[in-house]
Amino acid sequence: QVQLVQSGAEVKKPGASVKVSCKASGYTFTSYYMHWVRQAPGQGLEWMGIINPSGGSTSYAQKFQGRVTMTRDTSTSTVYMELSSLRSEDTAVYYCARSQHLGYYYGMDVWGQGTTVTVSS
Amino acid sequence: QSVLTQPPSVSGAPGQRVTISCTGSSSNIGAGYDVHWYQQLPGTAPKLLIYGNSNRPSGVPDRFSGSKSGTSASLAITGLQAEDEADYYCQSYDSSLSVLFGGGTKLTVL
Repeated sequence: QVQLVQSGAEVKKPGASVKVSCKASGYTFTSYYMHWVRQAPGQGLEWMGIINPSGGSTSYAQKFQGRVTMTRDTSTSTVYMELSSLRSEDTAVYYCARSQHLGYYYGMDVWGQGTTVTVSS
Repeated sequence: QSVLTQPPSVSGAPGQRVTISCTGSSSNIGAGYDVHWYQQLPGTAPKLLIYGNSNRPSGVPDRFSGSKSGTSASLAITGLQAEDEADYYCQSYDSSLSVLFGGGTKLTVL
């Protein structure tokens, strides 16, 4: 079955970086874009960016420009999201979510289970 | 503050009909970009409920329906059930090259 499995919870100190992985299975990895979305405790969903697993091109939300890097490894069908210069406000659950098609405009039909990132000194 | 505006909360009794609005602008919903809706049960990942304004993925009950007009969209839930109690989010795309989410609406089944 189609699924996205994310890496485990992380605890980081302010100023550090975190890299979250999302392994896809059950479908052709390069045929669907992948989004990253985060949710701070008690807050709503926030879009971080998107990656095209086929060519590796990315587009990031302006808020995260310069701090986020999304990459992929087609040999393992895995996408990665690295966020640097962490601060307490980055404490959140981070989700990868598959776009229904190759593009930005579509719904997100498959979601990972989420990865909790806690930033604390 | 989200660019897509949703009411923070709505409520209804079992069996009733509720609607959740999602108001955007001429650079997103009004520009013709599709609206999608998600349901998030407590402690779980969001689930796609409606895509392309009014389409239901396989397995989503027909009690859920979506519509779009001008710069707004709506999610309607008929025959409200206790299991529908959740947070609901709308999502669209903006001409500023950004995917947008609404702020979310908490549905309480009375």
